[in-house]
Amino acid sequence: GAGVSQSPSNKVTEKGKDVELRCDPISGHTALYWYRQSLGQGLEFLIYFQGNSAPDKSGLPSDRFSAERTGGSVSTLTIQRTQQEDSAVYLCASSFDRLAGGETQYFGPGTRLLVL
Amino acid sequence: DAKTTQPPSMDCAEGRAANLPCNHSTISGNEYVYWYRQIHSQGPQYIIHGLKNNETNEMASLIITEDRKSSTLILPHATLRDTAVYYCIVRVGDNYGQNFVFGPGTRLSVLP
Repeated sequence: GAGVSQSPSNKVTEKGKDVELRCDPISGHTALYWYRQSLGQGLEFLIYFQGNSAPDKSGLPSDRFSAERTGGSVSTLTIQRTQQEDSAVYLCASSFDRLAGGETQYFGPGTRLLVL
Repeated sequence: DAKTTQPPSMDCAEGRAANLPCNHSTISGNEYVYWYRQIHSQGPQYIIHGLKNNETNEMASLIITEDRKSSTLILPHATLRDTAVYYCIVRVGDNYGQNFVFGPGTRLSVLP
């Protein structure tokens, strides 16, 4: 079946502009995560959505970052007034809420953001 | 703070088995062992996970020692396309909302 998809695959923007990154999770997956990965670095957790519950925003690096998840499916990560240090690969992952067996997160291909 | 230790790099000949070790001596009873890999410029790909029993799927086998302090991921017949960074992660399996913490991993090079 279809995996997690993200768009755009690449985004180049100028410092100070706003950007929106989109994630389409696997159909039926109730949990959705956003991470980012800077060049040569590990994954940095940003935000977590579970169903209709309030999101866990504890990983967002500043108030320029926000995310929404509409209808429990598609999510949009917005970065306002982008800075050069925001340049990274932004990864989305989704998982299915099940009672046992261990949660498995499935990752999308990522959006490569370059802020000039 | 990754709870696992992996060798930084390994080589494997194409067609041979690749055995990737992972130490997780502080693993708790409710923590699973997960393996992901990341091929250059792609998102992490799930491989396999287990709690205490050995596991096998179409991609790999996971061997967990009886004391659960270490494990080995086995790719039975490595191909060039298996060249990637392999991450071993321990995590409470059913703790939704807990992000996966990726350490530096093992860079596996499959050689022709």
